[in-house]
Amino acid sequence: QLQLQESGPGLVKPSETLSLTCTVSGGSITTTNYYWSWIRQPPGKGLEWIAYIFYTGTTNYNPSLKSRVTISVDTSKNQFSLTLSSVTAADTAVYYCAGQPSWFDPWGQGTLVTVSS
Amino acid sequence: EIVMTQSPATLSVSPGERATLSCRASQSVSSNLAWYQQKPGQAPRLLIYGASTRATGIPARFSGSGSGTEFTLTISSLQSEDFAVYYCQQYNNWPYTFGQGTRLEIK
Repeated sequence: QLQLQESGPGLVKPSETLSLTCTVSGGSITTTNYYWSWIRQPPGKGLEWIAYIFYTGTTNYNPSLKSRVTISVDTSKNQFSLTLSSVTAADTAVYYCAGQPSWFDPWGQGTLVTVSS
Repeated sequence: EIVMTQSPATLSVSPGERATLSCRASQSVSSNLAWYQQKPGQAPRLLIYGASTRATGIPARFSGSGSGTEFTLTISSLQSEDFAVYYCQQYNNWPYTFGQGTRLEIK
């Protein structure tokens, strides 16, 4: 059974870069059955898909964030990562990683990232 | 971008009663529609995909219907653990988008 776990700093300063990693366990990230996505949820608000990556390195980004986002994969570590540059308070959110056959499942537990000086 | 609109924003229902949640897409998404349940402090949980197929382990009291632009999630007899926020999500067109959620509360 696939399980995902996010990791990374919980506090980032404005204008700096947010970096998160998702570790996949219970299966290989090189499966052809899944894309791997990042999704975020500002406190008290709804869900926003950020980006996905396939193990081959194929990527897709939400146009609303594309200029600031990079997603990457490390198959040797069974991990994929997110960087978001030039963060502001509006980027404060719980960040989830998820497996994506088409819909999103499974999900990691999420990690709260706060942007504040 | 496809806009997903859920109604109502909040639904108050008594335990044991039926709940009907709606989701409308700004353009057709065929049957490429999923429903999720989210409880406070938890990640969303997949309930339904393909508009009407229950995910593994989801009780039969949850059912989904619809296609094109109009979708419904029905919970036939509400249990205490069903009170949560529900989101619909289309995966027909990129970027994949979510509705704003319906909060199901105890009446």
